[in-house]
Amino acid sequence: DGGITQSPKYLFRKEGQNVTLSCEQNLNHDAMYWYRQDPGQGLRLIYYSQIVNDFQKGDIAEGYSVSREKKESFPLTVTSAQKNPTAFYLCASSSPGQGVYGYTFGSGTRLTVV
Amino acid sequence: AQSVTQPDIHITVSEGASLELRCNYSYGATPYLFWYVQSPGQGLQLLLKYFSGDTLVQGIKGFEAEFKRSQSSFNLRKPSVHWSDAAEYFCAVGADMGSGYSTLTFGKGTMLLVSP
Repeated sequence: DGGITQSPKYLFRKEGQNVTLSCEQNLNHDAMYWYRQDPGQGLRLIYYSQIVNDFQKGDIAEGYSVSREKKESFPLTVTSAQKNPTAFYLCASSSPGQGVYGYTFGSGTRLTVV
Repeated sequence: AQSVTQPDIHITVSEGASLELRCNYSYGATPYLFWYVQSPGQGLQLLLKYFSGDTLVQGIKGFEAEFKRSQSSFNLRKPSVHWSDAAEYFCAVGADMGSGYSTLTFGKGTMLLVSP
């Protein structure tokens, strides 16, 4: 079945370490997105990419980096510059036309920095 | 820039009773509007969407929503709530980036609790 796979589901890291969250999709979607979710804050856009080797900052990009070397993959790196990285991270994808009808979401990665 | 307000953080409804979750949006053009549902620790599932046309849209799981341009609202309704509907609900507005893509701006969510 087609879908979006985020791994791992839970991730623990020490403060000051960079960490990379994986997002893979087999839906043949062109666009991919990363959102951060905090309790009571809804979802906030970190980065998005419409095509391979191109991406744009969202509303809260500081302290994060991404790459889009393959259409299927859009990994997110949480760097040591991110002041409060503990959160639930959601990856999503869409295709032209389908993009104005909504996204398909992965099941998320919960990152805890200690 | 677009924004979404969900005025109710929590709502408790008795099983079998009707439900209405409120959503107000701010967007300069014709909005694309969505309702998503999220179970604890999971991703988001699309319930329904409004793009154009009929302002009353039907979704999955018996949900519907009505777009009211004059009130900048897109409230979600269900005539009879089931215990399995307990979850967090998010309203979102899409900003057209061209080429058929949009970025979604989400509200802060409404947690629905269902009492026996």
